[in-house]
Amino acid sequence: KQEVTQIPAALSVPEGENLVLNCSFTDSAIYNLQWFRQDPGKGLTSLLLIQSSQREQTSGRLNASLDKSSGRSTLYIAASQPGDSATYLCAVRTTSGTYKYIFGTGTRLKVLA
Amino acid sequence: EAGVVQSPRYKIIEKKQPVAFWCNPISGHNTLYWYRQNLGQGPELLIRYENEEAVDDSQLPKDRFSAERLKGVDSTLKIQPAELGDSAVYLCASSPSAARTDTQYFGPGTRLTVL
Repeated sequence: KQEVTQIPAALSVPEGENLVLNCSFTDSAIYNLQWFRQDPGKGLTSLLLIQSSQREQTSGRLNASLDKSSGRSTLYIAASQPGDSATYLCAVRTTSGTYKYIFGTGTRLKVLA
Repeated sequence: EAGVVQSPRYKIIEKKQPVAFWCNPISGHNTLYWYRQNLGQGPELLIRYENEEAVDDSQLPKDRFSAERLKGVDSTLKIQPAELGDSAVYLCASSPSAARTDTQYFGPGTRLTVL
């Protein structure tokens, strides 16, 4: 059974810092991995989607990497801003059964001005 | 382009009462998902539709939960009767198809509180 873990559960950093969020999964048989952002009281917004054949994806100040063999992904946020404060969730899409997404429990990020 | 619309945004009911949630996906999206998100947890899939067909409902508690997607567009998720443990945020998402490259687009969710 696929399990997704995110560490740390919460993180507080001063504005301008570069930071890394971690995601690990137990079964490397995945189609893709996706990073989402969730603001309080709102739904999820997709940030980056990495296919299983890819190593990384970039969008603006965000860079996500994928090491499928070791079951790890990282989300790198450069020059953090207070507006980046949110919960960040990673999800893997399984290759077995009905190909559903399995989500981690998220990292709650607070960027201090 | 309008996003995924859900209503109501908030619902408070007493246990044993019925409740229903409604979702209107992005126009043209064939795949629709219902997730439940407990406090401090990631979303868990309840059911996935391909057009009108439910293709994955293995996580749906069928004794009290039901869902439908008439005409392959809007969807309704119902709980009857509700229990205290059903308090959560219910998220609807849609994607163009179930292809592995397709991103899911989420609605704002319905926060359910069962007293």
